[in-house]
Amino acid sequence: TQLLEQSPQFLSIQEGENLTVYCNSSSVFSSLQWYRQEPGEGPVLLVTVVTGGEVKKLKRLTFQFGDARKDSSLHITAAQTGDTGLYLCAGPYSGAGSYQLTFGKGTKLSVIP
Amino acid sequence: DTAVSQTPKYLVTQMGNDKSIKCEQNLGHDTMYWYKQDSKKFLKIMFSYNNKELIINETVPNRFSPKSPDKAHLNLHINSLELGDSAVYFCASSLLRDESTDTQYFGPGTRLTVL
Repeated sequence: TQLLEQSPQFLSIQEGENLTVYCNSSSVFSSLQWYRQEPGEGPVLLVTVVTGGEVKKLKRLTFQFGDARKDSSLHITAAQTGDTGLYLCAGPYSGAGSYQLTFGKGTKLSVIP
Repeated sequence: DTAVSQTPKYLVTQMGNDKSIKCEQNLGHDTMYWYKQDSKKFLKIMFSYNNKELIINETVPNRFSPKSPDKAHLNLHINSLELGDSAVYFCASSLLRDESTDTQYFGPGTRLTVL
């Protein structure tokens, strides 16, 4: 069972455009995280959102945690080629009584010059 | 200084062979993990170790075995490799003081290709 659903799966846009990617779940999470993975590298944490309704900004990236803590969005303003990568949302999950981080399947973003 | 390192970066081997991937972290973290990322980029937890004790073991074949000689190292041994084992394997580590805000630091990955 996939706990975190991400959309869209693929996104190709021109440099300078705005975009939003989504992470949705039917389950409540205590927090959600966004990671970015570039080709040939491991994921790197961008942000953690903890409070329902929380909005965090990281330069041109805006992250929002849904009021019910079941969803999150990532908005990029004026995308640049350096934003190209795989964006993964993740949340803590207690499976079989043990903590683990469960990931969505990711949104692959391509920003074209 | 590399925080989480893995060796080798690429591993190409024949079906039926046994291989190991090494992982080291210099962050002083208590918990280390192994993930498998398939061809569709889905990242799934395989194992985690906390203070040298296995605390997660997902539905992974017993051909895979993690070995932790000390807190800074978590190696992955794979016996009798199969074609379906081809993937990118990531090692990660974290402090795991608070599950809600824990940050995992990932290594660069090992691309395993089984022929």
